[in-house]
Amino acid sequence: DGGITQSPKYLFRKEGQNVTLSCEQNLNHDAMYWYRQDPGQGLRLIYYSQIVNDFQKGDIAEGYSVSREKKESFPLTVTSAQKNPTAFYLCASIKRQGGGNQPQHFGDGTRLSIL
Amino acid sequence: LAKTTQPISMDSYEGQEVNITCSHNNIATNDYITWYQQFPSQGPRFIIQGYKTKVTNEVASLFIPADRKSSTLSLPRVSLSDTAVYYCLVGSLNTGGFKTIFGAGTRLFVKA
Repeated sequence: DGGITQSPKYLFRKEGQNVTLSCEQNLNHDAMYWYRQDPGQGLRLIYYSQIVNDFQKGDIAEGYSVSREKKESFPLTVTSAQKNPTAFYLCASIKRQGGGNQPQHFGDGTRLSIL
Repeated sequence: LAKTTQPISMDSYEGQEVNITCSHNNIATNDYITWYQQFPSQGPRFIIQGYKTKVTNEVASLFIPADRKSSTLSLPRVSLSDTAVYYCLVGSLNTGGFKTIFGAGTRLFVKA
């Protein structure tokens, strides 16, 4: 079955460490997204990528970095500059299709905690 | 990108119909209205999408008045498993590009 795979499901980071969250999709979708969700809150957009080798900052990009070297992969690195990284991270994708609007498909998330 | 306003929370009982309204006063001509459902520790899941009038699928209906400044998600005969957060999004790949904005959503709590 096609879908979005996020790994790991749980991740722990030490102070001052960079960590990378994986997101892979086999849906042949064009655009991919990273969101952050804090307890009891909605989703906030970190970065998004419309095509390979291109990405744009979302609303809370500081302290994060991404790459899009392959269509199916969009890893997110949480750097040591992100002072409050504990959150639930969600990856999503969309198929670009002429006309109309396409719903996003989401992975099951990665929960990041600070040791 | 059109901003949306939803109630923060709603309570219901099993077997009742639940209607969640979303306001989007500055919706653009090309914008679609999309609703998602999210359970704890899971990613949001697409429920339904519409442009105007009424759309119905196997799980919900979406009512959109002629002015499109609001929309109502209708869940028929809810069960305990419908307890979740429901998000309303407004946008279009043709206008806002691929950027999307989620609000805080509506927390629906279904009681026995």
